[in-house]
Amino acid sequence: DGGITQSPKYLFRKEGQNVTLSCEQNLNHDAMYWYRQDPGQGLRLIYYSQIVNDFQKGDIAEGYSVSREKKESFPLTVTSAQKNPTAFYLCASSTTMNTEAFFGQGTRLTVV
Amino acid sequence: AQRVTQPEKLLSVFKGAPVELKCNYSYSGSPELFWYVQYSRQRLQLLLRHISRESIKGFTADLNKGETSFHLKKPFAQEEDSAMYYCALRDTGRRALTFGSGTRLQVQP
Repeated sequence: DGGITQSPKYLFRKEGQNVTLSCEQNLNHDAMYWYRQDPGQGLRLIYYSQIVNDFQKGDIAEGYSVSREKKESFPLTVTSAQKNPTAFYLCASSTTMNTEAFFGQGTRLTVV
Repeated sequence: AQRVTQPEKLLSVFKGAPVELKCNYSYSGSPELFWYVQYSRQRLQLLLRHISRESIKGFTADLNKGETSFHLKKPFAQEEDSAMYYCALRDTGRRALTFGSGTRLQVQP
């Protein structure tokens, strides 16, 4: 079953703790993306990677970090420096031609 | 910097009525524009792209460079069209999508 998988679906963390969200794809896509979705604000780009071992900051990268050691995986770490981490996080992937982005089911992170 | 604006948070119509979801953009280059849709409990998925000039599920969207708009239209709304719709722009530089804030379409019976 091909696609893009995010885990876990729901995540709870205490304030001050780092947390890592998983994103895996078996579509053989080179490009991967992380977005944050907040009510009334749409999706905002956090980080993106066009190729393995390379990634760039998006529009709201502060307080987040990523790695791209494997083509299939693009984990996102929400650090304690992120001032407002409670949100819905979406991962996506696409080919290098970027014809269509495929999205995961999302992870809802709640920091208490 | 590029920007996508969807002025309506909610659009409510009756079944059979025409639908127009508005999208305006600002971008200095030649834009690639898309409409994505998210049905209840489903993933965000591509609805259509301006390059294809196609009609999907009865929806069409025309790029108007003069008005910098890419409005989504359907002549007769169906209840199954109820969903969240996002307009998105891809710039030629970083190749990532910039999304609007989304419009929730409610089609009432």
